[in-house]
Amino acid sequence: DAKTTQPTSMDCAEGRAANLPCNHSTISGNEYVYWYRQIHSQGPQYIIHGLKNNETNEMASLIITEDRKSSTLILPHATLRDTAVYYCISSRFGNEKLTFGTGTRLTIIP
Amino acid sequence: EPEVTQTPSHQVTQMGQEVILRCVPISNHLYFYWYRQILGQKVEFLVSFYNNEISEKSEIFDDQFSVERPDGSNFTLKIRSTKLEDSAMYFCASQGQGARGNQPQHFGDGTRLSIL
Repeated sequence: DAKTTQPTSMDCAEGRAANLPCNHSTISGNEYVYWYRQIHSQGPQYIIHGLKNNETNEMASLIITEDRKSSTLILPHATLRDTAVYYCISSRFGNEKLTFGTGTRLTIIP
Repeated sequence: EPEVTQTPSHQVTQMGQEVILRCVPISNHLYFYWYRQILGQKVEFLVSFYNNEISEKSEIFDDQFSVERPDGSNFTLKIRSTKLEDSAMYFCASQGQGARGNQPQHFGDGTRLSIL
């Protein structure tokens, strides 16, 4: 079973920031937090990952709490193309399998 | 940007037949994976492959399944005698190694396998 918990669904207005929470209260010290998304039936798309520091790339920002028990993925200016299922996954930074949960279905509303 | 490519995009096969799903991982990647997603369900890990051998496999990956890297570029998943419950999207993923360690896994767009 997935070791993270996420809300089942969320809506966000187009152009606003989408903030997707994730709880990973049992994360161990050598596990990273990864975010992927799946648009319709396409393959999961890597978004961002982090260990304990906040991270930002061209797609999103990742805010990890100091105790590492939760994190938030931020899409700064959501567009309709960001409508997808977003998965938060904890995994060691190595060649370890990814365990997907049910994710958060994010719907961007025009 | 380099991509993982999978062929075919859709495969229809009679129950009991053998099927081979093909993947071309990103060049220079070292770790390879197969996952599957039954319609409406979670993405599930099947197998990981490194240095020409299986690193880990799930309970789903029974004797009917095999993987191979026949020519150093392709990565294949073979199902020997397909069953109705093998109908699913099959995703290949590859992972490289960067200066700071392993990079994230990157997925292909999958092969939809339909067993009749």
